[in-house]
Amino acid sequence: GNSVTQMEGPVTLSEEAFLTINCTYTATGYPSLFWYVQYPGEGLQLLLKATKADDKGSNKGFEATYRKETTSFHLEKGSVQVSDSAVYFCALTPSGNNNDMRFGAGTRLTVKP
Amino acid sequence: KAGVTQTPRYLIKTRGQQVTLSCSPISGHRSVSWYQQTPGQGLQFLFEYFSETQRNKGNFPGRFSGRQFSNSRSEMNVSTLELGDSALYLCASSLVPDSANYGYTFGSGTRLTVV
Repeated sequence: GNSVTQMEGPVTLSEEAFLTINCTYTATGYPSLFWYVQYPGEGLQLLLKATKADDKGSNKGFEATYRKETTSFHLEKGSVQVSDSAVYFCALTPSGNNNDMRFGAGTRLTVKP
Repeated sequence: KAGVTQTPRYLIKTRGQQVTLSCSPISGHRSVSWYQQTPGQGLQFLFEYFSETQRNKGNFPGRFSGRQFSNSRSEMNVSTLELGDSALYLCASSLVPDSANYGYTFGSGTRLTVV
């Protein structure tokens, strides 16, 4: 079936460090891929997305590239800030059925000053 | 414009009771989906409504139900509550049932605690 696997946390980094959160997926066809972020006590916010192979989603310094050959959508940021501390979720919607979004387990990121 | 509004934010119920949660989508959004978030199971899809019709349903027992009104507002109901129903219930809205192009906009959730 369709599923997302992301690296387990928690991840703790110092401010200005480089961030990578790995995400791989299993799906038939060409799913759309998303990264969501959840700050404490809040719902999920869409961070970035990519809807076809080789697309790069980017927002607020975060980037992720849709890699069909490796079925991956790793999240990266060159220099994290304390305010980036949150839980990050990788997600997909299967091709042909955009209503059933599947989420990874989430990765908690803590950035220390 | 206003975001997705979920009420109430917090709720404490006793086993065996029933509960109704409400979600008002972003103005103009007609698709509403519900998710359950727990530490053990993560985010799990409950159901999705569009134009007052349930279009998709996740793998939850019949105690979980929902509906959508003509103004796109949605409610979900859980009957005969169990301790395991304690969770954050998130509502997500999108313009149409095509989240591939737009993504979902989530509300802040309703934290349900069953005691």
